[in-house]
Amino acid sequence: QVQLVESGGGVVQPGRSLRLSCATSGFTFSSYGMHWVRQAPGKGLEWVAVIWYDANNKYYADSVKGRFTISRDNSKNTVYLQMNSLRVDDTAVYFCARASFSIGSDFWGQGTLVTVSS
Amino acid sequence: DIQMTQSPSTLSASVGDRVTITCRASQSISTWLAWYQQKPGKAPKLLIYKASSLESGVPSRFSGSGSGTEFTLTISSLQPDDFAIYYCQQYNIYSQAFGPGTKVNIK
Repeated sequence: QVQLVESGGGVVQPGRSLRLSCATSGFTFSSYGMHWVRQAPGKGLEWVAVIWYDANNKYYADSVKGRFTISRDNSKNTVYLQMNSLRVDDTAVYFCARASFSIGSDFWGQGTLVTVSS
Repeated sequence: DIQMTQSPSTLSASVGDRVTITCRASQSISTWLAWYQQKPGKAPKLLIYKASSLESGVPSRFSGSGSGTEFTLTISSLQPDDFAIYYCQQYNIYSQAFGPGTKVNIK
């Protein structure tokens, strides 16, 4: 069955960096785009970034553009989110989700919590 | 950027009620609209895609309609498991945008 497992979250000081990973299984990873979506405590869902199946195209929300980088390793069935210059308002649960471009996000991980605090 | 709005933000309903949630896009998105259900501490679950297509395994009491800028999610007979937050989402190959959510409470 399809599984997505995020890792790498934790507590980090403002201005520092963190890299999240999302390990996948149960589907042909190299055939799908992947999203990162975040949810601040008690708030709604915010799309962060998408990477196409072949990594040739990447798109970002304005709120993270220039600070976050999405990447993937199709040999490891894993997508990453490198987060630099972290701010307090980046505090959120970060979900990875499979991008089915005709359907939306059909499978999600359980999320990993990132807390940015001094 | 496309902005999504939802109404109401909260609704109280009883088991067996028919519930309708509305979602509006700031510009036409054709039928590139999905609906998700989220329960506390859990990831969102896809219910409806392409505005009206029911995701596999989702009960048939859920239905979606609309196109262009106005969409609805209807739960025909609310069940105890349906009390949750519902989000609409516009999607394309470049990005996604979520509505602010509608919380369905027990009356």
